[in-house]
Amino acid sequence: GNSVTQMEGPVTLSEEAFLTINCTYTATGYPSLFWYVQYPGEGLQLLLKATKADDKGSNKGFEATYRKETTSFHLEKGSVQVSDSAVYFCALSDMYSGGGADGLTFGKGTHLIIQP
Amino acid sequence: EAGVVQSPRYKIIEKKQPVAFWCNPISGHNTLYWYRQNLGQGPELLIRYENEEAVDDSQLPKDRFSAERLKGVDSTLKIQPAELGDSAVYLCASSLGDRGSGNTIYFGEGSWLTVV
Repeated sequence: GNSVTQMEGPVTLSEEAFLTINCTYTATGYPSLFWYVQYPGEGLQLLLKATKADDKGSNKGFEATYRKETTSFHLEKGSVQVSDSAVYFCALSDMYSGGGADGLTFGKGTHLIIQP
Repeated sequence: EAGVVQSPRYKIIEKKQPVAFWCNPISGHNTLYWYRQNLGQGPELLIRYENEEAVDDSQLPKDRFSAERLKGVDSTLKIQPAELGDSAVYLCASSLGDRGSGNTIYFGEGSWLTVV
């Protein structure tokens, strides 16, 4: 079956530090990959996505590259801000299994804390 | 354009009582999802609708949970009777179901349930 594994948190960094949150996946077909962000007390917001191998998703200074050879989709940002503090979820949607639009399989989330 | 709208945002009930959550998806989105998110975990799919048809309800605890999507637009998720372990955030989401775009799924802010 499908699964997503992401690094355990919390991850604590100082402002302007470089961020990497690791994510690896297992899928039976040809998944699309996503990063969602959840701020305290709010729902999930799509941060970025990639639909095929070697695609790079980017948004708000965050980037992630779909690496089929290593089944990874690591999230990076060059200089984090206090406002980036949130929980980040890696997820996949398998476009092969079943019919119609498949749902998302999520990792457990990584809590990011940015200190001034 | 309005996003996915859910109500109520917060609900506290006593165990054995019923509770219902309502969701209005993004206009034009044929696919609707209900997820449950336990504290410190990623969301888990409960049920997926394609228009008014429930095409994946394998993870829905059918002894106490029910859902409907009359007319293929709004949806209601019901729990009766609620148990202490049902305390969680119930997230509604919707998508176009377009595999070509990677089937991006958009989430509401969630309904936060506490069973006491």
